Amino acid sequence: NAGVTQTPKFRILKIGQSMTLQCTQDMNHNYMYWYRQDPGMGLKLIYYSVGAGITDKGEVPNGYNVSRSTTEDFPLRLELAAPSQTSVYFCASREKRDRGQSGANVLTFGAGSRLTVL
Amino acid sequence: GQQVMQIPQYQHVQEGEDFTTYCNSSTTLSNIQWYKQRPGGHPVFLIQLVKSGEVKKQKRLTFQFGEAKKNSSLHITATQTTDVGTYFCAGRGFGNEKLTFGTGTRLTIIP
Repeated sequence: NAGVTQTPKFRILKIGQSMTLQCTQDMNHNYMYWYRQDPGMGLKLIYYSVGAGITDKGEVPNGYNVSRSTTEDFPLRLELAAPSQTSVYFCASREKRDRGQSGANVLTFGAGSRLTVL
Repeated sequence: GQQVMQIPQYQHVQEGEDFTTYCNSSTTLSNIQWYKQRPGGHPVFLIQLVKSGEVKKQKRLTFQFGEAKKNSSLHITATQTTDVGTYFCAGRGFGNEKLTFGTGTRLTIIP
C-alpha cells in the first residue's frame, strides 16, 4: 500500500501560470481533502469530496478547482497562479464509517507539495 | 463558521520538562482528533476523543476532552527530543464531514 501519493513534491510557478497538483490513494477511501499550510500556520481546507463525482468547497476555495472522476484520484487545479498561493499543499483521505462503527475517522495525509509562485 | 484555536503558538522546553497545549473550539464538537507534524513532514494521526470528559493516554502523552466538548488538551510528561514537532488539534462538528484544524503548537526541545 502506497497510501496517499502527491505529485509533484516541489514546483515553482510564474504569476498567471496554471498547474494541477495530483493526488491518488490506493486505500479505497471515499473521502478526500485538499489542505494548504502557510509557513508556521495551521491547515486550511480548500476542497473536499465524499465520493466520486461529488465535491464541495472548504474554507479557502477561491483560485482553485477540483474534480473527482474516480475514487482513487482527486486533482487540485490552480488557475492563474498568484503569490498568495505560495504554500505547502496536503492531500488527505479517510474511509467512510457509518454511525455505530467503531474506530476513528482518521485522515491519512500525503507527503505534501511545496508550491512557490513568483 | 467553526473556528479552532490553540495556545501557545510556540513552546520551548528543556528536555525532561513537561509540555501542554490547549485547544478551544467556537462550537460544540462531535469529536476531536490530535495530529503531530514533524519538521518538514506531514501530519500524522495520534488519537481521537469522542466522549465528554474523556481522558486517553499514550505512554507519556495524555489527551483530555472537555465536559462541554468545546476544548481539549494534550500533555506530554518528561519531554524527549523525539517529541519535537507541531501538534494540531482538529475538531469535527455534528453532521459535518469537514475537520477544522487548530492553529497548532510548535514544540522545540532544548537538549
